[in-house]
Amino acid sequence: KNQVEQSPQSLIILEGKNCTLQCNYTVSPFSNLRWYKQDTGRGPVSLTIMTFSENTKSNGRYTATLDADTKQSSLHITASQLSDSASYICVVSRHSGGYQKVTFGTGTKLQVIP
Amino acid sequence: SQTIHQWPATLVQPVGSPLSLECTVEGTSNPNLYWYRQAAGRGLQLLFYSVGIGQISSEVPQNLSASRPQDRQFILSSKKLLLSDSGFYLCAWSVAGVGEQYFGPGTRLTVT
Repeated sequence: KNQVEQSPQSLIILEGKNCTLQCNYTVSPFSNLRWYKQDTGRGPVSLTIMTFSENTKSNGRYTATLDADTKQSSLHITASQLSDSASYICVVSRHSGGYQKVTFGTGTKLQVIP
Repeated sequence: SQTIHQWPATLVQPVGSPLSLECTVEGTSNPNLYWYRQAAGRGLQLLFYSVGIGQISSEVPQNLSASRPQDRQFILSSKKLLLSDSGFYLCAWSVAGVGEQYFGPGTRLTVT
């Protein structure tokens, strides 16, 4: 069964601290993995996209890693800011019938406090 | 540049009433279009996707339906809303055959 599991479900950190969010998946055949940031009441916005051959990709203070062998990904946030408070969703795509089927994780809710 | 619009932004409807949510995309042609629902504390659930005008695929059985009357217009409808239809509805688009999906601002639906 194609699944994406994220941990932790929620996280509270102090402003300026770093944190790492985890994503484990069983989606197959793997096409790509993306991390989205979703502010409350808004649509998700893409942070990074990684294909099978990519191990690390950065976008500002966000760094995503991918281990395709163990089917794990992480999103590391450096020097957190209050504006980082949001849900972070891991999304894994697979090829199916001519288009890419995506499986969404349930997200990690991050709260950055002053 | 491409933009995606959804309306209304929020909606409160009584049980048994009809529903029509609209999504339009600008700046691209022949996009794949998607409707998702996000229940409180839950992940995104794909409801429908469309690869072209009049071509709709349903992912889960439900009392909702979707239509694509024009290339860049995607409509989510219901004849009679249920309490369980409450949630956050997101429309998304992607370039045909490419995985990156771009989401609209969403519609918050509350069925009372």
